[in-house]
Amino acid sequence: DSGVTQTPKHLITATGQRVTLRCSPRSGDLSVYWYQQSLDQGLQFLIQYYNGEERAKGNILERFSAQQFPDLHSELNLSSLELGDSALYFCASSVAEASGGRSSYNEQFFGPGTRLTVL
Amino acid sequence: AQSVTQLGSHVSVSEGALVLLRCNYSSSVPPYLFWYVQYPNQGLQLLLKYTSAATLVKGINGFEAEFKKSETSFHLTKPSAHMSDAAEYFCAVRSNQGGKLIFGQGTELSVKP
Repeated sequence: DSGVTQTPKHLITATGQRVTLRCSPRSGDLSVYWYQQSLDQGLQFLIQYYNGEERAKGNILERFSAQQFPDLHSELNLSSLELGDSALYFCASSVAEASGGRSSYNEQFFGPGTRLTVL
Repeated sequence: AQSVTQLGSHVSVSEGALVLLRCNYSSSVPPYLFWYVQYPNQGLQLLLKYTSAATLVKGINGFEAEFKKSETSFHLTKPSAHMSDAAEYFCAVRSNQGGKLIFGQGTELSVKP
């Protein structure tokens, strides 16, 4: 158990719908990362938050958004869902921000993931 | 740009045989490298990490990896495979622009009895 929790574990929805995935980081971790795992794209970084502020964006679609709340939990919102959005979505957390100037290796701990199926 | 290449999407070994999973990286700065394991229907678990303290890194479950700068490699090995090692293994490099991880495509390890 990594200490990172994600809900729900499974989500089945229809095209055009909107869903929210939730992540609670390990106690004391300030950074949250979202990743998408699909068969064709592999594991791709989506977005990072640090202590409530967006820090980095990856290959995240405009239909997707995220936020980190004062209690440090994070939510990933996916809207106007398409069949191709079906994937495993992982949240990871780490203690530090790991910006370019820091020397910390910034180990990330992953949650169990949310499997999204869009029908 | 930084990248990771894992050679071989599928590796099959017999129980008790050597496990060797290959990973090559591309990075213009000294990299921080990781190996993660993903068991079926589970999240990613950190096996080991390279942070420049030592080139030979020991991880959990008997795995180890050696950082070779001259070969830009970070191959994962285990002397004797166990059935419970069957899983997907991911090599990753920490981006020098923020803390995101850049993953390889993964290698699925099968262990035959």
